Order: sequence, then structure tokens, then C-alpha cells
Amino acid sequence: QKEVEQDPGPLSVPEGAIVSLNCTYSNSAFQYFMWYRQYSRKGPELLMYTYSSGNKEDGRFTAQVDKSSKYISLFIRDSQPSDSATYLCAMSDHSSNTGKLIFGQGTTLQVKP
Amino acid sequence: EAGVTQSPTHLIKTRGQQATLRCSPISGHTSVYWYQQALGLGLQFLLWYDEGEERNRGNFPPRFSGRQFPNYSSELNVNALELEDSALYLCASSLEGGPGETQYFGPGTRLLVL
Repeated sequence: QKEVEQDPGPLSVPEGAIVSLNCTYSNSAFQYFMWYRQYSRKGPELLMYTYSSGNKEDGRFTAQVDKSSKYISLFIRDSQPSDSATYLCAMSDHSSNTGKLIFGQGTTLQVKP
Repeated sequence: EAGVTQSPTHLIKTRGQQATLRCSPISGHTSVYWYQQALGLGLQFLLWYDEGEERNRGNFPPRFSGRQFPNYSSELNVNALELEDSALYLCASSLEGGPGETQYFGPGTRLLVL
């Protein structure tokens, strides 16, 4: 079983839709949770960063962390064609200073005009 | 502010050759990380350098090695290339090397081994 599971999609939605992207994880020591966006043939770009449980909002993006369920989500409101990309969740733990981020497989999102 | 830069953007090698990939971190960042993104495997952690020292390495064979220079730039060397080394190699940097540090990624070097 992988440490981080993410549905690879692809996920196709019409412009303006609300998009929900999710990851589950198995390591209860994870404390830091990130969402990166990766356009085709580009490097990952940090979208959201959350420490421990709770919600964080930034414009059209909302990140949620539920540590009791080991489940994180990214919501995109009013999705735009420019949001079409692969979304990667990533996480790390506090106890072991390894420098390593554990990534999900990434979900490919297509927003159709 | 300039982001993480990597060179070359593309690299084509044949099996058995050596590849050298380079990374310049964001100005002021002291930690550099290397990841491999192979098709279907997601991002896999390779190496972490901080203040010139190797701090951690992922589950990769010793033919993957690297170093960090006094100006905090870094290079990744892959010896005795194998076909399965074909991947996008991503470098990231962070301000410091502690837990929870945000890692910012470069555009990657796409390595093709023939």
C-alpha cells in the first residue's frame, strides 16, 4: 500500500464547476500538507500549504485537512480552462527531519470551455 | 525574484553513459532537493543537500550521486545510465533545511536514455 493515495483521473469538468480533489494517506505522523499544480512539461508550482488539521482559503482555492480520517482535499471554485493541469498532493512529517516530501500520483484535471 | 533554475532542459544519452544535471536554488535558499518523476511512478525523492552536506537520500542505487557547491547550487550525477533512468528530474529549494520547509521546484531536466 502506498503512503499517499490519489485518484489519477482524468477528471473533466465544464468551466465554472466546483472541483474536488482528494488524497488519503496512511502515516499518522504527517503534519505538513501541500498541493502543487503541474502544467504539462513544467515543474510543480506550490498552490496551498497547510499545517496539521483545518481549512485554508486562497482566492478560488480551499484546502482542507482531516487528520482523524487521514484525508486531504483541494476545492477549486469557478474553475477555468487555465486550471487544466495535474494536481499533486504532498506531505511530510515533523518528527523525522528527512527533507523528503511524499507525493500522490497526481490527478489530471481538464476544464472545458 | 528568480525561481529555481535547472540546466539543461533536455538531455539525451545512451545506456552506460553518465549524465550531469545542474540546479541553481532561489537566492537565499540553502537547501536543495532532487526528485525523479518517471512516467507512472510519480515524484520520488532522490537526494537532499543542505549547507554543502548530503543530509538524506532516497531509495536509489549509489550510481545516483550529487553535490552542493559553496554558492548552494547543486549537481546531480547519474552514472552507468539505464533505460529506466529516463524521466523528468526536478530540483527544489527551500530557505532552510528544517521540517515543514516549503520546497519550490524548478522546471526540470528531461533525461532520455536510449
